[in-house]
Amino acid sequence: GAGVSQSPRYKVAKRGQDVALRCDPISGHVSLFWYQQALGQGPEFLTYFQNEAQLDKSGLPSDRFFAERPEGSVSTLKIQRTQQEDSAVYLCASSPYRVLAGVGAKNIQYFGAGTRLSVL
Amino acid sequence: ELKVEQNPLFLSMQEGKNYTIYCNYSTTSDRLYWYRQDPGKSLESLFVLLSNGAVKQEGRLMASLDTKARLSTLHITAAVHDLSATYFCAVAKETSGSRLTFGEGTQLTVNP
Repeated sequence: GAGVSQSPRYKVAKRGQDVALRCDPISGHVSLFWYQQALGQGPEFLTYFQNEAQLDKSGLPSDRFFAERPEGSVSTLKIQRTQQEDSAVYLCASSPYRVLAGVGAKNIQYFGAGTRLSVL
Repeated sequence: ELKVEQNPLFLSMQEGKNYTIYCNYSTTSDRLYWYRQDPGKSLESLFVLLSNGAVKQEGRLMASLDTKARLSTLHITAAVHDLSATYFCAVAKETSGSRLTFGEGTQLTVNP
């Protein structure tokens, strides 16, 4: 496809259930990001991949959150034992640029439409 | 810790009027972005500002950057209904990789 694709678009989970959210980045994009967007707030950084390497996971809120990108393309964000506070929209973004591409590089991130997770 | 603040958070304006959205950030940054988000849709990149004094314009929107004041503005000229959306500014630092730190967003409603 032409853009970043995320699935499912909506996910309802019972508290304690495990969920997996998928992101298909734009073909050939090196960098992939996950953000969490609470209702009425701006997105907050979760984690970042360059190809298959997870270079920054400092934004993951707990060890229940896990992300992978094993072949450097599709990524999955997994949340174990979901809690109500995990309810949010999870956004994926990709970029053709690498980390430290240079101060002059634009490093634009292209976002998917997100997965809205509701934990009951 | 890098913080980004936008104001106003909510803006209701009439078609044909002008207005400015402000974005302040707390520490030096290397890039400043403006994004637009429609309900239930992805964030759409509008502008990337890289240097002090940078000005970018697209249609009725114009963005500027003052790195000394750590301030960016998004000016709307002669607003039309189609501009109704939520606008986010975001900043990035090379030393933090490419992670974006976003403001809370400004929800703009343009009334006929």
